Amino acid sequence: GQQVMQIPQYQHVQEGEDFTTYCNSSTTLSNIQWYKQRPGGHPVFLIQLVKSGEVKKQKRLTFQFGEAKKNSSLHITATQTTDVGTYFCAGRENAGNMLTFGGGTRLMVKP
Amino acid sequence: EAQVTQNPRYLITVTGKKLTVTCSQNMNHEYMSWYRQDPGLGLRQIYYSMNVEVTDKGDVPEGYKVSRKEKRNFPLILESPSPNQTSLYFCASSLFSGTGGVYGYTFGSGTRLTVV
Repeated sequence: GQQVMQIPQYQHVQEGEDFTTYCNSSTTLSNIQWYKQRPGGHPVFLIQLVKSGEVKKQKRLTFQFGEAKKNSSLHITATQTTDVGTYFCAGRENAGNMLTFGGGTRLMVKP
Repeated sequence: EAQVTQNPRYLITVTGKKLTVTCSQNMNHEYMSWYRQDPGLGLRQIYYSMNVEVTDKGDVPEGYKVSRKEKRNFPLILESPSPNQTSLYFCASSLFSGTGGVYGYTFGSGTRLTVV
């Protein structure tokens, strides 16, 4: 079945440093979504990417969908302590109805 | 307020005692799903439903049952819970289109289940 891998599993950064998490699928995706889960909380939807090569920005967050639609990345510029949490990607296979989540990247930010 | 409501938030039970975790959404979403979250394993899909009376297995359906008799409700049933079902469970809902698939999920606050 479809597998979605995320790296790194953990990342410690100093406040103000940049952060990137990468997501790779074993199959071609029709779209990919990104979620953030604060410690003790539930996942919250951030964005969905649909087109090959698509790039979207939300303030300091930049999301990218690969040309082959098998990988994606989330980049945070100048991290803040409010960015702390686990970031998940979730991919939907072409013609599939399931959303498969990656294992998540836990971001820790030192003030 | 648009939301997904799960109950209970915390539950400790004994092996073999049937239990139901309720999930309700007020957004008229077609698609609903149950996930379990375990350390190091991320979120794994248990069951999902694309509409009333339409349910399908996810990646880890063994030991679970679901039903979708009404659009707003999607309960998760553990007929005979075992300790390996100790986990954090999330219900989620979203709009769904046949071509566009699942849109962004709205998650419930989670149910932490411990089976002893």
